[in-house]
Amino acid sequence: GEDVEQSLFLSVREGDSSVINCTYTDSSSTYLYWYKQEPGAGLQLLTYIFSNMDMKQDQRLTVLLNKKDKHLSLRIADTQTGDSAIYFCAESEKTSYDKVIFGPGTSLSVIP
Amino acid sequence: GAVVSQHPSRVICKSGTSVKIECRSLDFQATTMFWYRQFPKKSLMLMATSNEGSKATYEQGVEKDKFLINHASLTLSTLTVTSAHPEDSSFYICSALAGSSYEQYFGPGTRLTVT
Repeated sequence: GEDVEQSLFLSVREGDSSVINCTYTDSSSTYLYWYKQEPGAGLQLLTYIFSNMDMKQDQRLTVLLNKKDKHLSLRIADTQTGDSAIYFCAESEKTSYDKVIFGPGTSLSVIP
Repeated sequence: GAVVSQHPSRVICKSGTSVKIECRSLDFQATTMFWYRQFPKKSLMLMATSNEGSKATYEQGVEKDKFLINHASLTLSTLTVTSAHPEDSSFYICSALAGSSYEQYFGPGTRLTVT
């Protein structure tokens, strides 16, 4: 079945860039997403990328997709303490775009 | 943006009782809503897909008689945890799909603690 993997923890200093990596197994993925979850809260969609794109930039966020290696990354430039959260990588199937498979989440800690 | 609410945000119940969690889309109609469960230090697991006016589709391993889902209107879906046990304690999150959008809008979640 489909599987999405991420490293569980990342710690960076305030002002540095954060790079969160994700790998997935479903070659028919159509959409790939990054969600942010702050403590005790629900998920917030940060950004997404279509599978026919290599890169997407949105302000401080840059998403890179290597479809051949099934590797997705999220780069946060100038990381701030408010960026501390859990970041979930997710993918949705080609035939059912509304079923989303989530990775385990990467807990990002930003050190002042 | 689209807003999804959940009620209650936190609930504590005794073992053996039932708990109902509501998920509402506040400013849009959601033909499809999803229920997720989040285990500590683990990812979200999709429990079921709820379509308005029809029976929910449960994921493998999710007991439909234990987790009753009702999607009676285009703005409301409910999840009832029946005969709750301590192992049902978890964070339950709903999401809603707006029309043909690819994007799911997530609720804030409900923390269920079964004592």
